[in-house]
Amino acid sequence: AQSVTQLDSQVPVFEEAPVELRCNYSSSVSVYLFWYVQYPNQGLQLLLKYLSGSTLVKGINGFEAEFNKSQTSFHLRKPSVHISDTAEYFCAVSDQGAQKLVFGQGTRLTINP
Amino acid sequence: DTEVTQTPKHLVMGMTNKKSLKCEQHMGHRAMYWYKQKAKKPPELMFVYSYEKLSINESVPSRFSPECPNSSLLNLHLHALQPEDSALYLCASSQGGQGGQPQHFGDGTRLSIL
Repeated sequence: AQSVTQLDSQVPVFEEAPVELRCNYSSSVSVYLFWYVQYPNQGLQLLLKYLSGSTLVKGINGFEAEFNKSQTSFHLRKPSVHISDTAEYFCAVSDQGAQKLVFGQGTRLTINP
Repeated sequence: DTEVTQTPKHLVMGMTNKKSLKCEQHMGHRAMYWYKQKAKKPPELMFVYSYEKLSINESVPSRFSPECPNSSLLNLHLHALQPEDSALYLCASSQGGQGGQPQHFGDGTRLSIL
């Protein structure tokens, strides 16, 4: 069975500082990995996805993530955050043929001025 | 603007009421999903429809009844709900329902049971 662990439930950072949100997964088969963002009172928006190929994936809003198979990680990074990045971030995994996304517990990113 | 539209945005109902949540997408997707999300938690999958057929039911109580009238529409019929059913209900869609195809979410219906 697949599982996703987001190592930090809350991450406070100052505006314009870099940030890394950590995600580890476990799966016995090849996986597809996703990061979603949820702003207050909204649904989930896809930030980026890893399906295959280059391990460095670039997404929207200046975010990127790196797939590391040996460490079973898919950490999300942004070099300089803005107040508008305050949101809940979810890492998710699925495998080929699966209709289900398995979500991590989420990381609350808070940007302080 | 989201490409998956959910109505209503808010719903308050008593435990004896019957109501329906609606979801619509015009992206040509053939898989649609219902999720339940409690505060400060990730979404929990309830149902998956693939090519208008129910393919996954995550042991959801029968007071929740999904319906997929066509490939663009997904309904969730509610009857005799309990206070613990108060949550944000999210609809999502994807191209074909297989792994690797990202799901597109609506903004949800916030449901309160009195």
